[in-house]
Amino acid sequence: DAGVIQSPRHEVTEMGQEVTLRCKPISGHNSLFWYRQTMMRGLELLIYFNNNVPIDDSGMPEDRFSAKMPNASFSTLKIQPSEPRDSAVYFCASSPPGLAGTNEQFFGPGTRLTVL
Amino acid sequence: AQSVSQHNHHVILSEAASLELGCNYSYGGTVNLFWYVQYPGQHLQLLLKYFSGDPLVKGIKGFEAEFIKSKFSFNLRKPSVQWSDTAEYFCAAMIYNQGGKLIFGQGTELSVKP
Repeated sequence: DAGVIQSPRHEVTEMGQEVTLRCKPISGHNSLFWYRQTMMRGLELLIYFNNNVPIDDSGMPEDRFSAKMPNASFSTLKIQPSEPRDSAVYFCASSPPGLAGTNEQFFGPGTRLTVL
Repeated sequence: AQSVSQHNHHVILSEAASLELGCNYSYGGTVNLFWYVQYPGQHLQLLLKYFSGDPLVKGIKGFEAEFIKSKFSFNLRKPSVQWSDTAEYFCAAMIYNQGGKLIFGQGTELSVKP
C-alpha cells in the first residue's frame, strides 16, 4: 500500500496567491482529515470528512480556507488569498471504516507551505 | 472543551536513560488514546494506542504507555532510550463517537545524546 499521498511536498508562494494542496487517502479508507502544524500552535485539526462529506470544519481558520472531497480518493485544501501566517506544514490523514472513534489515523508526509 | 496536555516541552536524555513523557486529557467519557512519533522531517507514525482492556499498552520500538483513568493520564515510557529515539512525541485523544476526530497535545521534543 502506498500510504497517504500528498502533493506538492513543498510549496513556496507569494502573499495573495492561491494555493492548492492535494491528498490521496489510502484505498478503502472512508475518513479524511486535514491538519496544520506550526511551532506556535502545534497540530491543529482543520477539517475532516466522512464518506466524502465534511463533518466538522470548525478548525478552518477563516473564509480564505476551503476544502473539498469530490470522491473517495481525492481531497483538496485551498487557500485564497494566501498570507505569510499560513506558512506551516499541512498534513492529511485517513482512517478506515469502523466503529466511530476507534480507528487509527494514517498520516501523509505533509506539504511544507511557505508564503513570502 | 476537550483537551490534551503534555507536561514537557523539551526533554534531553543520555542514551540508556529511562524515559517517561506525561500526558493528561480532559474528558469524562470514553476516550481512545494514542501516542504518535514524528522523526525529524518525517510524518507522524503511530507508536501505540489504547482502546480498552489492559491499561498497560505495549507499542513499537520498546515503548509502552499506561492508562490511568482516575488520573486522566496516558504516560509514555521506555526503559532505555537510544539516540534514534530523538523525535517529537504527540499524545492524542479520540472522543468516542465523535467521528474519529483526534485532539493532539502540544508535543514533546525528545533529544537523546549519544
